This record gives sequence, structure tokens and C-alpha cells, in this order.
Amino acid sequence: SQQGEEDPQALSIQEGENATMNCSYKTSINNLQWYRQNSGRGLVHLILIRSNEREKHSGRLRVTLDTSKKSSSLLITASRAADTASYFCAITGGFKTIFGAGTRLFVKA
Amino acid sequence: GAGVSQSPSNKVTEKGKDVELRCDPISGHTALYWYRQRLGQGLEFLIYFQGNSAPDKSGLPSDRFSAERTGESVSTLTIQRTQQEDSAVYLCASSLDGGSNTEAFFGQGTRLTVV
Repeated sequence: SQQGEEDPQALSIQEGENATMNCSYKTSINNLQWYRQNSGRGLVHLILIRSNEREKHSGRLRVTLDTSKKSSSLLITASRAADTASYFCAITGGFKTIFGAGTRLFVKA
Repeated sequence: GAGVSQSPSNKVTEKGKDVELRCDPISGHTALYWYRQRLGQGLEFLIYFQGNSAPDKSGLPSDRFSAERTGESVSTLTIQRTQQEDSAVYLCASSLDGGSNTEAFFGQGTRLTVV
């Protein structure tokens, strides 16, 4: 399956701590994206990393991609209670984007 | 429009009835996706449209599910003879193209409840 698999499935941290989520996949990809979902509705795009990139930053977000290990990580630094949400990685290979099962992050104030 | 629009936002239907869900993608986006998300679960790929190419229907769970798209605009997802297991949020997304480097924009979904 091309589907990304996130781990952990759930993560609970204190405000101010860093949160790290991982995504592994099985096939070759064109790019990998991370999305955030609040309240089980529409997803919001966070960051896209191309297959020839190794690291990308956006504000408090840092994404790494290791194509040799077929894995990616999303780091949220200095977490806030408002970061509480589900985070999904999405794999694009060819012309289709497939999502993983997500990591549920809970940031305690 | 400014974003992906889905309707209805909520739908309650009786088991055995047919339902039709609608998605209006962002104008100019050639790629359109439907996903299903059960409570507390990840996104399950259903179907993908790209321009005038034949759709990728590989994710449709049964022949009760079908989807159409008119050109590069509106798409409808139809579920016939609904079952309680069909209860979920159905999410639609569109992207500029289905290629390498475009993000998907999501609608707010249709929450379907089959009673």
C-alpha cells in the first residue's frame, strides 16, 4: 500500500514542549505533505516537501524527509494549546494523494 | 469560488435510501478527490478525477458507491441503498493539478448519518 503510516497514533504533551510525529510509507513518491485537522472536518495544508528535498521549515514547523528510509517527521516546536489537532501525512506518487491514519496531538495548557 | 464547497454539510438518512453529496471545487483546479473519514479514523481514499482522464475508482468500497464529475467542475458522490456502516464524514478536495507539487484544498465535508 502506498498509504503513509503515522506514529504515534496519539501524543499528549505540555505547552511549550516540542512535538514530533513520524510518517512511513512503502513506495516511491513525488512529494509528501502534512495536513492538520481540527474537529474532524476539513483539513488544512501545512507544508509540502518534494522528494529531492531533505528538510523544510515553516514558522514553528520543521519537516524532514529521508527517501532512503521512506520516512518523514514533523516537528512542532514550542507547542501551544491551539496546536491540539490531528495531523496527517499525505503521500503523492504519480497523480494520486493518499493519506495516513493521522496522529492526534493534545497540548495541555 | 474562494474555496471548496460541499453540500449538504449534514445529512441524516434512513437505511436503504440513496444519498447524493455535492462538491464544488476551486475554479481552475483539474484534480478532485473524495475521501471518507469514520469517527476517529484517518482519511480513506475513495475516488480521484483528473481533467478528462478516466477517474481512479480504486477506493470505492462497493458498487453502491459511484461518483461523477462534470468536466472540471462540480462532482457528486452517490451512495445507493445506504447502510449504517456508511455513516462518516465525506471530504472532497481539489488541487491545481494532480502532479507533483500542488497542495490539496479541502471542503468542510458532509457528515452523513444513516439511521
